[in-house]
Amino acid sequence: NAGVTQTPKFQVLKTGQSMTLQCAQDMNHNSMYWYRQDPGMGLRLIYYSASEGTTDKGEVPNGYNVSRLNKREFSLRLESAAPSQTSVYFCASSGALYSGNRYEQFFGPGTRLTVL
Amino acid sequence: QKEVEQNSGPLSVPEGAIASLNCTYSDRGSQSFFWYRQYSGKSPELIMFIYSNGDKEDGRFTAQLNKASQYVSLLIRDSQPSDSATYLCAVRGNNYGQNFVFGPGTRLSVLP
Repeated sequence: NAGVTQTPKFQVLKTGQSMTLQCAQDMNHNSMYWYRQDPGMGLRLIYYSASEGTTDKGEVPNGYNVSRLNKREFSLRLESAAPSQTSVYFCASSGALYSGNRYEQFFGPGTRLTVL
Repeated sequence: QKEVEQNSGPLSVPEGAIASLNCTYSDRGSQSFFWYRQYSGKSPELIMFIYSNGDKEDGRFTAQLNKASQYVSLLIRDSQPSDSATYLCAVRGNNYGQNFVFGPGTRLSVLP
């Protein structure tokens, strides 16, 4: 099993350009997440999808859109990139969102995005 | 006020010593607590989780939870240079919409 995969690994954009970050998981997980990680800020949730067909905003959704394409895939789109979106983006998945059990999150390798 | 707080470090300990990492959280309804390790340039990986007050041991790692004090810690015994990484505390609770909230992480450096 590959776990959680992300593409691309690195990307450089100019201000105003658009791009889509792809994420896929092969663990049959219901829930998927997009985070950004900035120095000293920890991981901040951008959007999440509790199950196929649903998406919800997290802590920092402005400037992003998401699509839960199917149970395996969850993409993040930057419509008009800004320098403030320079960050490392992680996708994660877990067995379930609304549960009293552990349901740890498994992370992909990350995408390092620079917006000039 | 940040919802999950950690000392940013760096925390430096000599090889073989005990490293103690601390985390406090604001939501009293929090149910689940996780410790992730993140090596530089890599993604976070889960090393411990705890739900009940008290201690939970797994090899060289011990997680400690005190819900009354809203405090969770991670002890690493016999620290090794390979333990040098950033340790992220994550909390899952009622006020977070069942999502995880991560602390900023503590950078640990184990000196040979």
